[in-house]
Amino acid sequence: DIQMTQSPSSLSASVGDRVTITCRASQGISNSLAWYQHEPGKAPKLLLLAASRLESGVPSRFSGSGSGTDYTLTVSSLQPEDFATYYCQQYYGSPQTFGQGTKVEIK
Amino acid sequence: LQLQESGPELVKPSETLSLTCTVSGDSISSGGYFWGWLRQPPGKGLEWIASIYHSGNTYYNPSLRSRVTISVDTSKNHFSLKLSSVNAADTAVYHCTRHYSSGWHKSWGLGTLVTVSS
Repeated sequence: DIQMTQSPSSLSASVGDRVTITCRASQGISNSLAWYQHEPGKAPKLLLLAASRLESGVPSRFSGSGSGTDYTLTVSSLQPEDFATYYCQQYYGSPQTFGQGTKVEIK
Repeated sequence: LQLQESGPELVKPSETLSLTCTVSGDSISSGGYFWGWLRQPPGKGLEWIASIYHSGNTYYNPSLRSRVTISVDTSKNHFSLKLSSVNAADTAVYHCTRHYSSGWHKSWGLGTLVTVSS
């Protein structure tokens, strides 16, 4: 299985901050990477697919980049509704696998 | 689209966990999507369990393959998961999803916590 390592596991930030979350795959995944946001009490939400393609309806402050084994999710200006846990997922290999999550908390 | 998981919240060790995902706002029979189950044990990451297409084609995580059955009932517009011989490690929030063949999950249910305990 392809292992996905997310970092950091948690971070504290303020509204307006720029936040970056990293996801590293144990082997190259050819941009077959999705990012999800999970707020407590809500269903997880797809943010980006193919490493950098924004899902319809997702604010443009979210962006993704990367290649090979290393990928990042960036929130350019953190908003109150962005405090949540974020997960990466690779769908290059089978079985698909997820990172352990990054919890973004209010500083 | 709404996905709603249902089933027992408490299952005894060695028994079979059974969950159903009821789909509203779309027809499973319309095709184009896969329907899947994932889970998240407390304090751990997400794990894909299995997926099914409306035709009945099934796909399983090899780590759980021997204990899992996924099925679909297009007449009721729902799909189901059975996980046999459960133990405490199967305690998790179970989510149903709609996903593309490539694998990313476009829509999720809220999830249901299933606890394995005597």
